[in-house]
Amino acid sequence: GEDVEQSLFLSVREGDSSVINCTYTDSSSTYLYWYKQEPGAGLQLLTYIFSNMDMKQDQRLTVLLNKKDKHLSLRIADTQTGDSAIYFCAESMEYGNKLVFGAGTILRVKS
Amino acid sequence: DVKVTQSSRYLVKRTGEKVFLECVQDMDHENMFWYRQDPGLGLRLIYFSYDVKMKEKGDIPEGYSVSREKKERFSLILESASTNQTSMYLCASSFSAGGSRGEQYFGPGTRLTVT
Repeated sequence: GEDVEQSLFLSVREGDSSVINCTYTDSSSTYLYWYKQEPGAGLQLLTYIFSNMDMKQDQRLTVLLNKKDKHLSLRIADTQTGDSAIYFCAESMEYGNKLVFGAGTILRVKS
Repeated sequence: DVKVTQSSRYLVKRTGEKVFLECVQDMDHENMFWYRQDPGLGLRLIYFSYDVKMKEKGDIPEGYSVSREKKERFSLILESASTNQTSMYLCASSFSAGGSRGEQYFGPGTRLTVT
């Protein structure tokens, strides 16, 4: 079945790098996504990666995809207190238009 | 910019009441979704719609129904609210998969408390 797993909590110091990991099960996923949810808000698309790519960089964000292991990671360089949020990994399903989300990783940035 | 709005940010209802949650998107998206979000469980899909008057059950449809009479509007209905439906409800929309990356755009959420 479809399942996306993430660790639930990550704590880092301001200025350090954060790495949030995710594993997924559907090898036919076309796109994989990272969403950010700030307190009291909806989810905001941070970045995405197409399944035939290994890496995507967007300013402080680096996404790494290992299709063989079905492992996705999000690295945030120079983490700031404003990066404190819940980060969700999601995969697209082969058929239809649904996404499957992980449970979310709470990132806490200590100053 | 895509805008998805939800009718209420906070709602308090009594057990047994009929509850309507409204969602409107302004980007002409074909697909619309309702999720509930609970701590440690992530987002769970309740219902989605891929066209006007079309709907499909998600993973947890029990106790809910939906209505999509117009393309831009998707309503979630709790026929008889119960305390276990206390949650954050998130609406999302997207273009059909064939012509897009499939990413979903979310509203700000409605925090529903049933007492």
